[in-house]
Amino acid sequence: QVQLVESGGGVVQPGGSLRLSCAASGFTFSSYGMHWVRQAPGKGLECVAFTRNDGREKYYADTVKGRFTISRDNSKNTLYLQMNSLRSEDTAVYYCAKGEARLDLWGQGNLVIVSS
Amino acid sequence: DIQMTQSPSSLSASVGDRVTIACRASQSISRHLNWYQQKPGTAPKVLIYATSSLESGVPSRFSGSGSGTDFTLTINTLQPEDFATYYCQESYSVPFSFGQGTKLEIK
Repeated sequence: QVQLVESGGGVVQPGGSLRLSCAASGFTFSSYGMHWVRQAPGKGLECVAFTRNDGREKYYADTVKGRFTISRDNSKNTLYLQMNSLRSEDTAVYYCAKGEARLDLWGQGNLVIVSS
Repeated sequence: DIQMTQSPSSLSASVGDRVTIACRASQSISRHLNWYQQKPGTAPKVLIYATSSLESGVPSRFSGSGSGTDFTLTINTLQPEDFATYYCQESYSVPFSFGQGTKLEIK
């Protein structure tokens, strides 16, 4: 079954850290670039991080640069997002998504709430 | 960074109508433009990629056009299941940018 399954969300205090995971199955994970996309409550979509298929190139939105780190383990078919120095404005549903150009497979979404 | 601007932000229409949503990029993106549909509580779904290519399984009433900085999504003969929020997304430079969304509501 072709799917992405996210885990690791939850409630964290401002300044805290959280790591999201995205487990891929049903396709050759190591062949595709992968994205993390977030959506704040009632708001639009924002791509926050991207990594190429081999993990050597990584790109970040200015809003998370220096705080978030995207990584992947192709031996485990898993994508990660390490989020540090979290702020209230990072509260959102976080999706992982597959694709170099179009995002043609998405996870179910994982809610991260940053609140004291 | 490339800024994507959609218009209108919201739109009311009836079943059977034809609707058009516009998307403008802050710089030329050639034809690197995708369209997504999102329904409440679910992940977005790609409808159109590379400006005018229909994603597999997407009904042919959806179509896209444009190039450079100006693009449109057209939905012919609206069906009840088409009422949703639509986003354009540039795939010219990573990390990609989305438009702010257009909410299509039933009149």
